[in-house]
Amino acid sequence: AQTVTQSQPEMSVQEAETVTLSCTYDTSESDYYLFWYKQPPSRQMILVIRQEAYKQQNATENRFSVNFQKAAKSFSLKISDSQLGDAAMYFCAYRSAFAAGGFKTIFGAGTRLFVKA
Amino acid sequence: EAGVAQSPRYKIIEKRQSVAFWCNPISGHATLYWYQQILGQGPKLLIQFQNNGVVDDSQLPKDRFSAERLKGVDSTLKIQPAKLEDSAVYLCASSLPGLNYGYTFGSGTRLTVV
Repeated sequence: AQTVTQSQPEMSVQEAETVTLSCTYDTSESDYYLFWYKQPPSRQMILVIRQEAYKQQNATENRFSVNFQKAAKSFSLKISDSQLGDAAMYFCAYRSAFAAGGFKTIFGAGTRLFVKA
Repeated sequence: EAGVAQSPRYKIIEKRQSVAFWCNPISGHATLYWYQQILGQGPKLLIQFQNNGVVDDSQLPKDRFSAERLKGVDSTLKIQPAKLEDSAVYLCASSLPGLNYGYTFGSGTRLTVV
């Protein structure tokens, strides 16, 4: 079974600086998708960025980028020029690409990010 | 486009009572998911629908939880009878077909069982 581990329960960053959130996963599958979701206090989870395992190029969405290391099974999220609105819980997620697993998504336990003004 | 709608937003019930949550996914999203998020944890999948058929309900406590998705659109999740450990946020999500699509989540229902 696949697992997702986020080893940092909390992180904090100064406004305008850069922060990296860590995520590792365990799988025996060769093809899958990885995601980062943001959950603000309003509780609605928002997709931040996605990565397809067969693509070597790291995904980027504006101030958000990932460092995907397939061999190491690592998928970290870098937030540049941090803003107060970035404060939230961040969840790393793994989605199987195989029908036997129902293509279901497994989430890590989350990292709470604090942004200091 | 309209988002995923969920109601109620909050619910407080006593243990052994029953409760139901409603979800209306984004129009055209064939796949619908119910997740349980206990405080301080990541969401855990309860059940996944593809149109009105169940794809995965392996982690649904079937002795007390039930879910349906009539006509492949709206869905209802029910708990009967509720236990204290059911206190959590219940999130509904929907997605387009295709693995590279992420999920669109609703705002969730926070259930407190006392």
